[in-house]
Amino acid sequence: ILNVEQSPQSLHVQEGDSTNFTCSFPSSNFYALHWYRWETAKSPEALFVMTLNGDEKKKGRISATLNTKEGYSYLYIKGSQPEDSATYLCARNTGNQFYFGTGTSLTVIP
Amino acid sequence: NAGVTQTPKFQVLKTGQSMTLQCAQDMNHEYMSWYRQDPGMGLRLIHYSVGAGITDQGEVPNGYNVSRSTTEDFPLRLLSAAPSQTSVYFCASSPQTGAISGYTFGSGTRLTVV
Repeated sequence: ILNVEQSPQSLHVQEGDSTNFTCSFPSSNFYALHWYRWETAKSPEALFVMTLNGDEKKKGRISATLNTKEGYSYLYIKGSQPEDSATYLCARNTGNQFYFGTGTSLTVIP
Repeated sequence: NAGVTQTPKFQVLKTGQSMTLQCAQDMNHEYMSWYRQDPGMGLRLIHYSVGAGITDQGEVPNGYNVSRSTTEDFPLRLLSAAPSQTSVYFCASSPQTGAISGYTFGSGTRLTVV
């Protein structure tokens, strides 16, 4: 099974709230896990790439963790701002191919 | 540095017509790929290439052809367009196969087949 699943599908939060969402993936044949940020009418932009179990990455108010043994990654946004509104995609990299989840659509309400 | 350039941005085709979606990158990336994005389905891999002269199929290759005669260009050909191919198409590249650095995406081509 190559499916990457993300939850929730969509999320509305108030400005200033912190939030997190989940990416689940098959733990076998793991190579790397990628997070992308996709704003409406633009193309996806890479946020993080994680390869090792226990990896944690941070960029400003956004951070991500990785558990390759149980097959999940969390993305956290601290103190959400309206400009964080976007779809957040995760993708499992098997070496030659990326398998994307359907994304979590985040709306931050001012 | 233009990154990944896709043309056209929009296209309407009649059923049965053929066309080529163009993708070019100027970053000397070895790995290039084509995805389609449909509501509720996420990004699905159509074809990919690990270097000039080498292509392979992804999840949903039927109805599409690709070639990679140069490192820079990776065109996607629709042989006989069908309404099921109505979608948004993204080209993406990365420095090499299995690259840890992730993809650089083009801006997408919105295709409608009537």
